[in-house]
Parts: sequence; C-alpha cells; structure tokens
Amino acid sequence: DARVTQTPRHKVTEMGQEVTMRCQPILGHNTVFWYRQTMMQGLELLAYFRNRAPLDDSGMPKDRFSAEMPDATLATLKIQPSEPRDSAVYFCASGGGPYEAFFGQGTRLTVV
Amino acid sequence: GQQLNQSPQSMFIQEGEDVSMNCTSSSIFNTWLWYKQDPGEGPVLLIALYKAGELTSNGRLTAQFGITRKDSFLNISASIPSDVGIYFCAGHGSSNTGKLIFGQGTTLQVKP
Repeated sequence: DARVTQTPRHKVTEMGQEVTMRCQPILGHNTVFWYRQTMMQGLELLAYFRNRAPLDDSGMPKDRFSAEMPDATLATLKIQPSEPRDSAVYFCASGGGPYEAFFGQGTRLTVV
Repeated sequence: GQQLNQSPQSMFIQEGEDVSMNCTSSSIFNTWLWYKQDPGEGPVLLIALYKAGELTSNGRLTAQFGITRKDSFLNISASIPSDVGIYFCAGHGSSNTGKLIFGQGTTLQVKP
C-alpha cells in the first residue's frame, strides 16, 4: 500500500528551537509539495520540487524556513528559529505526474 | 496570484440528501481536483478532471470541469454519515508550472 510517510506526527517545541519535518514520498513519484494548514489560512503551498529540484518556494518565509530533497526518498522542511505563529499542520504530498498529489498524514507542530 | 473560491463554506444536511458544492476562479485552470479530509488526516484525492466539459464519477460522487475552465462542481448523491468531512477543490493554473492551489474547503455535516 503506497503512501506518503511523514515524521514526526506531532511536535511540541519551544520558541527559538529548530524544527525538522521529514517526508518520504511514494516510490517513483517525482513531484513533492509542502503545505501548511491553519484554520485561518487553509492549505497554503510553501514549496514544491520536481525531480528533486525546487520549482517554487515563494510561499515560504525565507528567513526561517528551508526545504530540501537530499535524495529521491527524502524531503525535509526546517524552521529555524521557530515562532508561535508557525504552529500549524504541515503536509507533504507527492505526485507521479505533473497533476495529481497524494498527501501524507501531516505533522502537527505546536510552538510554545 | 491565482485563487480558488469555494462555496458553500459549510453545509448541514440530512442523511440521504444530495449535496452540491462548487469552486470558481477568475482565471483559467488546466486541471481540477477534488479532495476530502477527515479529522486528523491528510486530504485524500477523490476525483481528478483534466479536460473542459469532462464529467467524472467515483461511486456516489460526480464532478465536472466547467466549459469556461474557470469552475468545477462536486455532487454527492444519497449522502451517508461517513461523508462528513472537509471537501477541497484544487487546481493547476494555465501557467503549467505544476503549482497546485487549494480552495478554502466546504465542511459537510450529515445528520443521521
């Protein structure tokens, strides 16, 4: 049963700490998306990659957020330093073509 | 940037009723996707539409890609309690960058 795997599922951290979220896309998928979901803003696209190359990260605060794909089986989203306003659910999604996206279960981040 | 306007924002219906929700954009979209999100989970892809005028069904769900390419609707027939959740439309704009944008979601509640 192919699925996108995200770790951790939950993370509570103190303001100022570094947070790293990981995503294992579905094997063979070449497009990876990072979304943030909040009640106020809904699903916001932070960044996405195709064939491990970043295509668009305009939705991401550059001063504290970074997204990478060290290899085809791992995507990471880092926040340094974290702030309370970063509290949200972060989703990774992957797609085998240019159109569809399949989501992981998300990482619920709480910054206190 | 491109935005999707989804309506209604929420619906409360009786089990057995049919449901209709729609999504509109001020600009042309090349694809329309419909997702459902259950509490604590990531969005799950229900239906994908690729051509203007396309009508596609998935069980009790039917979705259409509007002729103008600026709208799409999702119908659910004979609703059941497990249809409860948040339904999102999503799409790729005409720029073909692969950027997948989401609507704000329609929250559906079904009364047994």
